[in-house]
Amino acid sequence: AQSVAQPEDQVNVAEGNPLTVKCTYSVSGNPYLFWYVQYPNRGLQFLLKYITGDNLVKGSYGFEAEFNKSQTSFHLKKPSALVSDSALYFCAFSPLVFGKGTRLSVIA
Amino acid sequence: SAVISQKPSRDICQRGTSLTIQCQVDSQVTMMFWYRQQPGQSLTLIATANQGSEATYESGFVIDKFPISRPNLTFSTLTVSNMSPEDSSIYLCSVGQGSEAFFGQGTRLTVV
Repeated sequence: AQSVAQPEDQVNVAEGNPLTVKCTYSVSGNPYLFWYVQYPNRGLQFLLKYITGDNLVKGSYGFEAEFNKSQTSFHLKKPSALVSDSALYFCAFSPLVFGKGTRLSVIA
Repeated sequence: SAVISQKPSRDICQRGTSLTIQCQVDSQVTMMFWYRQQPGQSLTLIATANQGSEATYESGFVIDKFPISRPNLTFSTLTVSNMSPEDSSIYLCSVGQGSEAFFGQGTRLTVV
């Protein structure tokens, strides 16, 4: 079955440090991959997507993700984390199938 | 992008009753989706609703429990029927535009 996996339930990062939220995929053909963020008591917000083209995708709020076909990964990254980045992050395929989510906590 | 209004934002309901959640979109869309997000878990697709046809339900979800209406291209409802505490979740409406999906703010349902 086609799926995305987020191996980490929780990621803790100090403010100002780079952050990475991991996602791997198992998809036949060319995948459509997405990242969404869910802030407390709010709906999901789209961050970025990979359809085709450059492997490095830039999105909202300074986030970016790198599509790596050989490693079947689509990790979300940000060079310098902010406390306001603390939220639940979902990797998604297609975009109907979601990973289990990773809770990011940025500590001041 | 699409703007989605979802009502109610939250509700506390007695077991055995039903709740209808409304989803209004500011533009015409072909496909609308309903998701459930149980506490501490990811989103699970309940069904896909296309205007003018029966909703398509995912494995584990049935029409008798989650009837869906899609009367036009900007509106849909999801009913959670004969509720039990296990139905306590966030329910989200979503629409697809091109390769992207946009979400409502969700309905936080607590069944007591």
